[in-house]
Amino acid sequence: DQQVKQNSPSLSVQEGRISILNCDYTNSMFDYFLWYKKYPAEGPTFLISISSIKDKNEDGRFTVFLNKSAKHLSLHIVPSQPGDSAVYFCAANNNAGNMLTFGGGTRLMVKP
Amino acid sequence: SQTIHQWPATLVQPVGSPLSLECTVEGTSNPNLYWYRQAAGRGLQLLFYSVGIGQISSEVPQNLSASRPQDRQFILSSKKLLLSDSGFYLCAWASGPYEQYFGPGTRLTVT
Repeated sequence: DQQVKQNSPSLSVQEGRISILNCDYTNSMFDYFLWYKKYPAEGPTFLISISSIKDKNEDGRFTVFLNKSAKHLSLHIVPSQPGDSAVYFCAANNNAGNMLTFGGGTRLMVKP
Repeated sequence: SQTIHQWPATLVQPVGSPLSLECTVEGTSNPNLYWYRQAAGRGLQLLFYSVGIGQISSEVPQNLSASRPQDRQFILSSKKLLLSDSGFYLCAWASGPYEQYFGPGTRLTVT
């Protein structure tokens, strides 16, 4: 049972436009959500997170939105740059455990 | 600042051979430590995690094992590798239940 799902395996966006990556979850106990970026043959890098008490968190070009009623979060990248081309993973946890549950990832390709 | 190291970076091993991958963390004490595997084109699969020396939790039954002999050292082992053990192995650390920070990974190819 996948508790965190990223239904789009890939996304292609033109440089300068907005990239929107989506993530859905089923476990209503999750109270903290994270996005990671991963280049090939490297470890994932933490990008941005959001607590369930918020519905938006912004860090430079990256904004994460959380819709608790829909159990949905999204990562917006504006403007997209070719260096943003990577696999993006969303992850979730609750403060009762020490484990993150990861989605399957979405490969973002930003075309120059 | 904290740093996480993994070695080796790449490894090619024959089926049936043993395995030992090492992960060490610097700049923090009593971290939670994790081993993940990413198979080709797949997501991140949690294999083991540890909240302290000698404390190992296994998430997926398989022919792999993990040990934590020191506070900031985490080792992934196998007595006999299978072809299906090929993948990209990642170690991560965390100071709490949320953000985890990953090492550079080890690419294992079992032939």
